[in-house]
Amino acid sequence: RKEVEQDPGPFNVPEGATVAFNCTYSNSASQSFFWYRQDCRKEPKLLMSVYSSGNEDGRFTAQLNRASQYISLLIRDSKLSDSATYLCVVNMGSGGYNKLIFGAGTRLAVHP
Amino acid sequence: DGGITQSPKYLFRKEGQNVTLSCEQNLNHDAMYWYRQDPGQGLRLIYYSQIVNDFQKGDIAEGYSVSREKKESFPLTVTSAQKNPTAFYLCASSIVFGQGRTEAFFGQGTRLTVV
Repeated sequence: RKEVEQDPGPFNVPEGATVAFNCTYSNSASQSFFWYRQDCRKEPKLLMSVYSSGNEDGRFTAQLNRASQYISLLIRDSKLSDSATYLCVVNMGSGGYNKLIFGAGTRLAVHP
Repeated sequence: DGGITQSPKYLFRKEGQNVTLSCEQNLNHDAMYWYRQDPGQGLRLIYYSQIVNDFQKGDIAEGYSVSREKKESFPLTVTSAQKNPTAFYLCASSIVFGQGRTEAFFGQGTRLTVV
């Protein structure tokens, strides 16, 4: 089993749609979680951090379910500019070390 | 401006040669990381370091080596032992807030092509 697993997609949605991505992780001791966005041939950029049960920033909502070991990202009112790959990241470090493990990413394509 | 600088952006190497990728940060971050990304895939951890003179192997360390002699610098050497080195290499650094809380920032990446 991979340490961090995501549905690869692609998700093809019209503008204005609501779309949700899920991510599962294997290490129950993980403390911090992140969603990054990566545009084609660019470096990933931080979208949201998730330390407690969830986080909301405008049209984006991230939720954490520790019991089931999954994180979700909800995007409301999708825009064309939301088209990108969304990477789930879990900090699997311990003993003072940070070890950031990435999922393979979920590709989103928003069309007019 | 603070940030992470990777150089070069594009690199071509002949098969059998070692090559070193540079990563420098002026964010005063303790932790630094190297990832590899292949087309259509996610990032895989090569090496990571929390402090100077200390580093740990990630999931795909074979054929790679690193050093951390200065806080600001974490160069990655791709050796001739790496069987399939052509990839997009990303360096990141992060600050640690405690309780596992951290935020990682990435350089713009180096595209390595073996010819």
